[in-house]
Amino acid sequence: SAVISQKPSRDICQRGTSLTIQCQVDSQVTMMFWYRQQPGQSLTLIATANQGSEATYESGFVIDKFPISRPNLTFSTLTVSNMSPEDSSIYLCSVANNEQFFGPGTRLTVL
Amino acid sequence: RKEVEQDPGPFNVPEGATVAFNCTYSNSASQSFFWYRQDCRKEPKLLMSVYSSGNEDGRFTAQLNRASQYISLLIRDSKLSDSATYLCVVNRAAFQKLVFGTGTRLLVSP
Repeated sequence: SAVISQKPSRDICQRGTSLTIQCQVDSQVTMMFWYRQQPGQSLTLIATANQGSEATYESGFVIDKFPISRPNLTFSTLTVSNMSPEDSSIYLCSVANNEQFFGPGTRLTVL
Repeated sequence: RKEVEQDPGPFNVPEGATVAFNCTYSNSASQSFFWYRQDCRKEPKLLMSVYSSGNEDGRFTAQLNRASQYISLLIRDSKLSDSATYLCVVNRAAFQKLVFGTGTRLLVSP
């Protein structure tokens, strides 16, 4: 399986600010995704990060709030914009060629 | 109704016990199925894919019943290290969009 890293691993942020999370893979992958796992809940897909084009967002998630970049086949960023306490969550990137694997996650707390 | 439903548990079993988890999914167009394991404060890790013919990996056996839209995971000879949350996961379409159940928590005690 691919080795996936995320930065930062955790952060505490003030409401109204934005945080950009980076996801790096050690090999080229076809698909990259961003998920959110809110406290005590399971994972919810935010969007598919498309290389060289705009991300594809799931229902309930919009580009203005969660802009995503994917400049190449090994790297993607997710920005959580204009944060509120409700954005406190773990954000995970995942990669897939055939099976899907997850990065270690970024634990975000918004005060 | 949630797209993937699991009993949240917890299932408390002694070491050496056999335990089974069930999962149902609502979208009949779902194409592939998985069990992931998630330890506390860690990312989910793929445990096994689930095939229509059923598949086994050591102490773990997964079954799929497409007609009933039902997936199961059987763990034999439970170990303390099996304590985790087991996530039933369905691939909604051809684009690898995974839908996660809320997970079943397993606690194996000495």
